[in-house]
Amino acid sequence: DAGITQSPRHKVTETGTPVTLRCHQTENHRYMYWYRQDPGHGLRLIHYSYGVKDTDKGEVSDGYSVSRSKTEDFLLTLESATSSQTSVYFCATGGQGENTEAFFGQGTRLTVV
Amino acid sequence: KNQVEQSPQSLIILEGKNCTLQCNYTVSPFSNLRWYKQDTGRGPVSLTIMTFSENTKSNGRYTATLDADTKQSSLHITASQLSDSASYICVVSREAAGNKLTFGGGTRVLVKP
Repeated sequence: DAGITQSPRHKVTETGTPVTLRCHQTENHRYMYWYRQDPGHGLRLIHYSYGVKDTDKGEVSDGYSVSRSKTEDFLLTLESATSSQTSVYFCATGGQGENTEAFFGQGTRLTVV
Repeated sequence: KNQVEQSPQSLIILEGKNCTLQCNYTVSPFSNLRWYKQDTGRGPVSLTIMTFSENTKSNGRYTATLDADTKQSSLHITASQLSDSASYICVVSREAAGNKLTFGGGTRVLVKP
């Protein structure tokens, strides 16, 4: 799994509560990404980072924020969880260059009740 | 709009048989096209990466083709095995902006004995 660890792997939370998912990498990759995967939609980009403290929005960023204070850690925060954010979340990392492979974590299954 | 469309959505094949999965994309400007395999409950794992100038690339029993003029790609699985049962995802990378990835919805393959 190329040294990418997501935590927690499973979480159930109540609507309106804040939630933070963590992605930790040991590959020293510059780029890190957060995706969500839902039936019928494939993987969709939430936010990505191209360096420490450098982040940008993806196609489904509403309701999510991210932070990257160190190369190895990329945090995804749901400020106030909603049922529509029930999903499987994947972190990915990649180096720079057009042929650089993107490595994915094992995923976090989040259920908002 | 940058999109990646895959067909069929799912297919069932008998062990030992061959199959071909299709991918059409409208992502521009194009950087590279990747095929990923995703086993149930796990993150996607890269099978092949092809740039604009590459027409075909193999990884064991997996062979990917790319026609950059028609913006089509295929993934051929030869002599299928039960372990090939998974979702196969076509992913197109755009130039610049961190090589952001656009994912297709995937083709779910079930290999039966």
